[in-house]
Amino acid sequence: GAGVSQSPRYKVAKRGQDVALRCDPISGHVSLFWYQQALGQGPEFLTYFQNEAQLDKSGLPSDRFFAERPEGSVSTLKIQRTQQEDSAVYLCASSLGGLGGYTFGSGTRLTVV
Amino acid sequence: DQQVKQNSPSLSVQEGRISILNCDYTNSMFDYFLWYKKYPAEGPTFLISISSIKDKNEDGRFTVFLNKSAKHLSLHIVPSQPGDSAVYFCAAPQRRYTGTASKLTFGTGTRLQVTL
Repeated sequence: GAGVSQSPRYKVAKRGQDVALRCDPISGHVSLFWYQQALGQGPEFLTYFQNEAQLDKSGLPSDRFFAERPEGSVSTLKIQRTQQEDSAVYLCASSLGGLGGYTFGSGTRLTVV
Repeated sequence: DQQVKQNSPSLSVQEGRISILNCDYTNSMFDYFLWYKKYPAEGPTFLISISSIKDKNEDGRFTVFLNKSAKHLSLHIVPSQPGDSAVYFCAAPQRRYTGTASKLTFGTGTRLQVTL
């Protein structure tokens, strides 16, 4: 597609519920990043994929967070047993490579109640 | 440890005047910097970048200045327009994955409001 598409745009989850957030990157972009943006903060790195390989997951805050990109295109970020502190905007970005040059999606705003 | 800092959470500027947004960093290994602009309910969009081999980069109304000795950079917008009202993030690539993109470390952002 023309841009990075994320779904759903908004998600309200009850505490303890599992959620799955989807990212459709720009076609042909090998690099895919997930970021978490808490209210009033800048985006913080979660994980990185190069094609289907997850090369860096050092930013995932706990083992409740899991990401996959099985065919090197669409990626899913899964959060198990959601907690209130997981409430944030989750941003996906894709890139052909190089420094910067990301295209971000509009994000998924997750609210855990 | 906040490696990229934007100490001004907000800034209000009159239309037509200059907007100056500041950013400081602590990691001396950073050698490339980017500015992103973010409107509500949208993802950040790339605005302008600068390499550490330069001290200035200009693109239309936007100019970024880099002072390596002070570990400081600034974004100048001249003249400011109402459509520039947004949150601006300073960012630096922190780790480069061989042959591909780098993960970014972002500042906390500055909300710019351009008034009529």
